[in-house]
Amino acid sequence: DAKTTQPPSMDCAEGRAANLPCNHSTISGNEYVYWYRQIHSQGPQYIIHGLKNNETNEMASLIITEDRKSSTLILPHATLRDTAVYYCIVSNTNAGKSTFGDGTTLTVKP
Amino acid sequence: DAGITQSPRHKVTETGTPVTLRCHQTENHRYMYWYRQDPGHGLRLIHYSYGVKDTDKGEVSDGYSVSRSKTEDFLLTLESATSSQTSVYFCAISSGDRGHYGYTFGSGTRLTVV
Repeated sequence: DAKTTQPPSMDCAEGRAANLPCNHSTISGNEYVYWYRQIHSQGPQYIIHGLKNNETNEMASLIITEDRKSSTLILPHATLRDTAVYYCIVSNTNAGKSTFGDGTTLTVKP
Repeated sequence: DAGITQSPRHKVTETGTPVTLRCHQTENHRYMYWYRQDPGHGLRLIHYSYGVKDTDKGEVSDGYSVSRSKTEDFLLTLESATSSQTSVYFCAISSGDRGHYGYTFGSGTRLTVV
């Protein structure tokens, strides 16, 4: 399974864009990149996913490099409620098994 | 979360006793997963299922077994609970449609083994 590498923590000012990086250099051609976030001890929440094109939804944007070895999750206008642990994972096409790392703890500050 | 429920939400059990956690879905998704999460860490896959009676091991399967006799239910059993199995257990589902394995997670079961 492809592994991902994320910085352990990041800070962001409220109202500013939060850019969370992820390295997935061993990703295979048909594997998707998924982002989730976990607030306190709740179940992780799906944010967005992509294969090779940039994606945008109501929550965030996902920028995937052309070689697909890294990606960036962008929260365009971070709020205090976006404080959470963000996980970048690569979904194995064999039954969707996924390996979660320790994620990035994003702290949005007033 | 909508479409997936876990029970119980909290449980305290004694070392050496068997424990069964239940995951129930109403989405008719093919794939179901059990993860555990220890303090300050990410999730680790215990077992997963790719259909009724079709299950396989994840990265931390020792001491756990699973069963899926119906599409909607995926049971996780700790055969003889140990203190190292104190953790928060999350169930997840995914459809796998068109290669999309996005997860919907349950709210978790907090298990304490004393």
